[in-house]
Amino acid sequence: GAVVSQHPSRVICKSGTSVKIECRSLDFQATTMFWYRQFPKQSLMLMATSNEGSKATYEQGVEKDKFLINHASLTLSTLTVTSAHPEDSSFYICSALRGGEKLFFGSGTQLSVL
Amino acid sequence: DQQVKQNSPSLSVQEGRISILNCDYTNSMFDYFLWYKKYPAEGPTFLISISSIKDKNEDGRFTVFLNKSAKHLSLHIVPSQPGDSAVYFCAASGRASGTYKYIFGTGTRLKVLA
Repeated sequence: GAVVSQHPSRVICKSGTSVKIECRSLDFQATTMFWYRQFPKQSLMLMATSNEGSKATYEQGVEKDKFLINHASLTLSTLTVTSAHPEDSSFYICSALRGGEKLFFGSGTQLSVL
Repeated sequence: DQQVKQNSPSLSVQEGRISILNCDYTNSMFDYFLWYKKYPAEGPTFLISISSIKDKNEDGRFTVFLNKSAKHLSLHIVPSQPGDSAVYFCAASGRASGTYKYIFGTGTRLKVLA
């Protein structure tokens, strides 16, 4: 099956630092990738849609200057949490759309900001 | 406004019995639906999908039923196994309208008792 690799799986950082999360589609090209955030016992909240070669589309309430998304190639999208604060601590998950139909998810990144 | 709803946050079923997970949606533009299974601290894994042109799709122990008039879909797992214990998310998208955004429900935690 399709594989989406997300790295790192866990990161702990100090408040004020920036953290980059990578999402790679390993065996297919993904023109569209999505970034989600999940709080404990809650649903996957879509943060933004990342399209290769163009600017990401952010959902309402998501600060684009805080969550920088880059989709520079058909197999890689990155999410950078800039100037992270404790309230940014969460589980971040990426997904890649294959064939315009199915979503395949990365394994997620647990971000803890101290 | 929650466009995709899973009204049961949790469900317990005896091993070998049927598990039925329900999902309701409000947007009539949705035409493609998926079910995902998620373990803690992992990304969701795809289970089964259904297009709005069908009312049933079966894959092994998993069957998804779609009732378009009621804007309701359900996932049946027969027979249920302890390894099925996880959180199940339904998701919907409107491919015909040109959007590939997937809207997720809040999830149902299934516990299969041995």
